[in-house]
Amino acid sequence: KNEVEQSPQNLTAQEGEFITINCSYSVGISALHWLQQHPGGGIVSLFMLSSGKKKHGRLIATINIQEKHSSLHITASHPRDSAVYICAVANFGNEKLTFGTGTRLTIIP
Amino acid sequence: GAGVSQSPSNKVTEKGKDVELRCDPISGHTALYWYRQRLGQGLEFLIYFQGNSAPDKSGLPSDRFSAERTGESVSTLTIQRTQQEDSAVYLCASSLVAGLTYEQYFGPGTRLTVT
Repeated sequence: KNEVEQSPQNLTAQEGEFITINCSYSVGISALHWLQQHPGGGIVSLFMLSSGKKKHGRLIATINIQEKHSSLHITASHPRDSAVYICAVANFGNEKLTFGTGTRLTIIP
Repeated sequence: GAGVSQSPSNKVTEKGKDVELRCDPISGHTALYWYRQRLGQGLEFLIYFQGNSAPDKSGLPSDRFSAERTGESVSTLTIQRTQQEDSAVYLCASSLVAGLTYEQYFGPGTRLTVT
């Protein structure tokens, strides 16, 4: 079973700051997902990675397969970025996602 | 252009009662997943369906939980003889094809409270 750990658990920052959220996993994977869960509970898929780096607007996700580690970065953070960010991984040959416990991000105006 | 929809959005039930939760995936999506999120905890996989293949039920926590899917459309998650520990948000997601390289689209969830 893959163990997924995220850090930090909670993060409070000022508007405009550069944000980094980390995810580590224990077993080789076929894909890693970053999800965003808003206070109302809705979940949106942000990125799906199997290697390298992806960028979407102010969001950047990177993955290092050898180190079993991924980071989610937010540039020029904004209060609307306040949410829980969840990392999820899938093992090879397995359709099930294993989820981290999430990072609660609060951006203060 | 509807996304994934779930009903009801909230359900309060008495311990011991049966409940049915419904998920309507995005049209054309062959894969459908059910997840659970208990208060203060992370998401847990419950079950997934891919087309007409037998579903992967390995995440269901007990035999009180079951799910069905009609073809490649609506799915129903049934919890029999509900217990207080079943209280959670139940999330449904669909993707074009099963396979973790395909993006999953999540529904808004059903918040179940067992009293």
